Amino acid sequence: QVQLQESGPGLVKPSETLSLACTVSGYSINSPFSWGWIRQPPGKGLEWIANIYHSGTTYYNPSLESRVNISIDTPTNQFSLKLRSVTAADTAVYYCGRGFSFDYWGQGALVTVSS
Amino acid sequence: EIVLTQSPATLSLSPGERATLSCRASQSVGKLLAWFQQRPGRAPRLLIYDASNRATGIPARFSGSGSGTDFTLTISSLEPEDFAVYYCQQRSNWRSTFGQGTKLEIK
Repeated sequence: QVQLQESGPGLVKPSETLSLACTVSGYSINSPFSWGWIRQPPGKGLEWIANIYHSGTTYYNPSLESRVNISIDTPTNQFSLKLRSVTAADTAVYYCGRGFSFDYWGQGALVTVSS
Repeated sequence: EIVLTQSPATLSLSPGERATLSCRASQSVGKLLAWFQQRPGRAPRLLIYDASNRATGIPARFSGSGSGTDFTLTISSLEPEDFAVYYCQQRSNWRSTFGQGTKLEIK
């Protein structure tokens, strides 16, 4: 059974870098699927952030591309997200998932940007 | 950026009734459209992918249709657990965007 789990700090200071990891179990990350991140500010809708293939090919939301980096680590079956220069507007639940259709999701990680 | 517009914003129905949710794209996405259900405090769940294919484990009362710019999610007979927020998502041109959501509430 495919399972994903987000991990990382729940509190980040303004102007710093948000870093999250997604650990995949029950399925090899070295597969034809891509792996991605989506976020949801409190009480609001969903926003796609980025996807990555095991080859390293990446796709980014143009509105976030200048601040985002997604990477993949096949030996540990993990992929990661870094978002630089965060502000309060980046406060959200961050989800990782499989594929562009996100057929499997992690449970989500709330990240609050505050001093 | 492809903009997805969902309607209505809120839909009030009773259990057993039929629900019809709409998603319109600002330009053609072919059949690269998915529907998700999100219950409070939970991660979204994929219901329909590629416009009309039910995801694994999704009941047959959920169906999707459409192509190009106009898409519909139909729930044939509402169960109590179906009252939630529904999002459409497109994934064309190696980018993705979501609609703003339709809240399906109990009348």
